[in-house]
Amino acid sequence: ETGVTQSPTHLIKTRGQQVTLRCSSQSGHNTVSWYQQALGQGPQFIFQYYREEENGRGNFPPRFSGLQFPNYSSELNVNALELDDSALYLCASSLLRAYTMEGYTFGSGTRLTVV
Amino acid sequence: AQSVSQHNHHVILSEAASLELGCNYSYGGTVNLFWYVQYPGQHLQLLLKYFSGDPLVKGIKGFEAEFIKSKFSFNLRKPSVQWSDTAEYFCAVVPAGGGSQGNLIFGKGTKLSVKP
Repeated sequence: ETGVTQSPTHLIKTRGQQVTLRCSSQSGHNTVSWYQQALGQGPQFIFQYYREEENGRGNFPPRFSGLQFPNYSSELNVNALELDDSALYLCASSLLRAYTMEGYTFGSGTRLTVV
Repeated sequence: AQSVSQHNHHVILSEAASLELGCNYSYGGTVNLFWYVQYPGQHLQLLLKYFSGDPLVKGIKGFEAEFIKSKFSFNLRKPSVQWSDTAEYFCAVVPAGGGSQGNLIFGKGTKLSVKP
């Protein structure tokens, strides 16, 4: 069991730039969810991908987009970065509809700082 | 909209003290409930979960939680904390049933500091 790995671990970007964050899901998991954790807050659901399609979305603008690949890995893309996008971005993998059995496995996150 | 409230932002205890962290949720239907822990510099780890059955759930590292449906609560407890329990604790719910993507709704977290 390899767990969830995210890259990079830290990133500094300038306001207005674009960023891509990457996630490799745990072996055997087919669903990837992304969360944003601002300082002092709990993680907020951004969106979920299943079979390479978006399968649900939280209250985030369209400049937050994603991809899932055939090997179930995933990317989170954020365009036109704003200062408020500074946060820890978490990736979690699971088996769709089986989350009640196994729950979610989280990665260690990517710390994004927008200056 | 569904939400999760954690009553304490920061709890400071001495070793061997008992712990209870409060969690309330707002959702009228069936929910699945979780407690996650985040040790400094580490990823979120599942402490325990409740789906159905016995409302008293036992998790790892001596933690337990009780689901009280009438109070919409899922409080976390540990009889005797250790310095190694210093971490941030998150309560989360997932609305159950058809149509749910299974996404977690988290509380804001409670930071626990245990003094040796």
